[in-house]
Amino acid sequence: QKEVEQNSGPLSVPEGAIASLNCTYSDRVSQSFFWYRQYSGKSPELIMSIYSNGDKEDGRFTAQLNKASQYVSLLIRDSQPSDSATYLCAVTQAGTALIFGKGTTLSVSS
Amino acid sequence: KAGVTQTPRYLIKTRGQQVTLSCSPISGHRSVSWYQQTPGQGLQFLFEYFSETQRNKGNFPGRFSGRQFSNSRSEMNVSTLELGDSALYLCASSVSMNTEAFFGQGTRLTVV
Repeated sequence: QKEVEQNSGPLSVPEGAIASLNCTYSDRVSQSFFWYRQYSGKSPELIMSIYSNGDKEDGRFTAQLNKASQYVSLLIRDSQPSDSATYLCAVTQAGTALIFGKGTTLSVSS
Repeated sequence: KAGVTQTPRYLIKTRGQQVTLSCSPISGHRSVSWYQQTPGQGLQFLFEYFSETQRNKGNFPGRFSGRQFSNSRSEMNVSTLELGDSALYLCASSVSMNTEAFFGQGTRLTVV
């Protein structure tokens, strides 16, 4: 049974701080990793994808992947109240569907 | 470029009835996946279609079925509805399998 684990939170950070969201996965052969943001009452929105070990930066977002530790994280720099949402980690490998974690709720206070 | 379109957005059905949900993927996308989202269980995978063939199936009873047409549009059907089927049903499309997936707005199904 492939599993993707996330701390449900809530993770509370003050405005301007760095938010760190973590995800672990059970299937060692997983190849593709994604972070989605979901606002309450809305559908998930893709914000980052990462396929190889290391860091990938896109604006205020940095995804980090460590395949040896089966760990992927998302850093949000200069957090804003508009970043308050649930962040979903998703993992897949060739021939299989995207498997999602249950998400971490982030709350950014002004 | 238009996004993923799901219809209808909201649906109220009675126990025992059946329902059909529709998903039109982004133009050029050939893979369509369906998910059920509930507060307690999160996003649970239903099935994935690519080139009109079901490629993967989640752990749901046979009351849940789907299909994909030659234009990549997809439908899912739930027969003999149960109260527990009340959920947000999300469709996601991608260029091919295992690539970035983009979600539609979802269909909110309420079974009474």
